[in-house]
Amino acid sequence: RKEVEQDPGPFNVPEGATVAFNCTYSNSASQSFFWYRQDCRKEPKLLMSVYSSGNEDGRFTAQLNRASQYISLLIRDSKLSDSATYLCVVNRTGGSYIPTFGRGTSLIVHP
Amino acid sequence: DAGVTQSPTHLIKTRGQQVTLRCSPKSGHDTVSWYQQALGQGPQFIFQYYEEEERQRGNFPDRFSGHQFPNYSSELNVNALLLGDSALYLCASSARGRTIEKLFFGSGTQLSVL
Repeated sequence: RKEVEQDPGPFNVPEGATVAFNCTYSNSASQSFFWYRQDCRKEPKLLMSVYSSGNEDGRFTAQLNRASQYISLLIRDSKLSDSATYLCVVNRTGGSYIPTFGRGTSLIVHP
Repeated sequence: DAGVTQSPTHLIKTRGQQVTLRCSPKSGHDTVSWYQQALGQGPQFIFQYYEEEERQRGNFPDRFSGHQFPNYSSELNVNALLLGDSALYLCASSARGRTIEKLFFGSGTQLSVL
């Protein structure tokens, strides 16, 4: 089993739709969690951190479920510009930190 | 404020050759990590440098080595290139002791091994 798993998609949704992605992780010692966004042929950029209490940033909501070992990302009112690959990142500590990326979920928002 | 810069942007090599990639971290950052991203995959952690030492290493062979300089810039060296080394190589910087988990990436070096 991979340490971090994501459905690669693509998720094909119309503008204005709500879409949700999940990411599961296998290492219960994981300490911190993030969502990164990567546009085609570009570098990943931090979208948001994921906190135990859940957090929201505009149209984006991230949740963490430690008991079931998954994190989620909800995007409301999708825009064409949201089309990208969304990477889940899980960090575990081992003296320092070792970030593990999922393979990413591709989102395509169409008119 | 310059972000993370990497050079070169593209590189073509043949099997068996050696390659050196370079990275300058974001201003104020002292920690550099290197990642390999194959097509359709997420970035895979190669190693991390802090205070000019390799601190953490992912599951990569010894053909992959690195260095960090006193100005915090870093190099990634790959020896005896294989076709499977073809990938986007990303450098990320962070500020150790502060928000160390938040990574800022450079735009990467696309390496093609023929």
